[in-house]
Amino acid sequence: AQSVTQPDIHITVSEGASLELRCNYSYGATPYLFWYVQSPGQGLQLLLKYFSGDTLVQGIKGFEAEFKRSQSSFNLRKPSVHWSDAAEYFCAVGGDTNAGKSTFGDGTTLTVKP
Amino acid sequence: GAVVSQHPSWVICKSGTSVKIECRSLDFQATTMFWYRQFPKQSLMLMATSNEGSKATYEQGVEKDKFLINHASLTLSTLTVTSAHPEDSSFYICSAIPGTGVGNEQFFGPGTRLTVL
Repeated sequence: AQSVTQPDIHITVSEGASLELRCNYSYGATPYLFWYVQSPGQGLQLLLKYFSGDTLVQGIKGFEAEFKRSQSSFNLRKPSVHWSDAAEYFCAVGGDTNAGKSTFGDGTTLTVKP
Repeated sequence: GAVVSQHPSWVICKSGTSVKIECRSLDFQATTMFWYRQFPKQSLMLMATSNEGSKATYEQGVEKDKFLINHASLTLSTLTVTSAHPEDSSFYICSAIPGTGVGNEQFFGPGTRLTVL
């Protein structure tokens, strides 16, 4: 069975500060890993994804994530947060063995202080 | 590219009526589409997998007679909530996987807010 844990339900950072959102996964084979962002009342937008290759992945809006197989982690980072980054962030895991399904974490709510 | 639309974006209906939600892939063909339900401040719960030309596969605990899914073409899947009740009020999101997609990347629609009075 596959699962995703996002340990932080809610994170508050000051604008301009750095950000790290944690994600731990469990998957029996080579995982495909995703980070999505959701603004209130909206669908999900893909920030970045990891399939294979370089373990440091660059995404949109200045986000990056690092895949660490030994720690089963795929943490999302941004060096300087903007007020517009306030949203809900979801980590997800999928793979070739599950007919396209992804399992989502419970999400982390990001609040940005001025 | 890879845009998914949903219609309507929000709907209010009376208890006992049926509501149809459409999910369209606008610029690609989607052999597989997924339907999710999301409660406030919660994650996405997968309801069913919709495959073009075949019956949908429902997740455990999801009533297939309650939530009818039809994947009529490679660009359209519909979710019909039959005899809706207030507890069916939720945010419904669809996603689609391109026929040539790599790594099962899903493209999400903007969601449909259903309120049942």
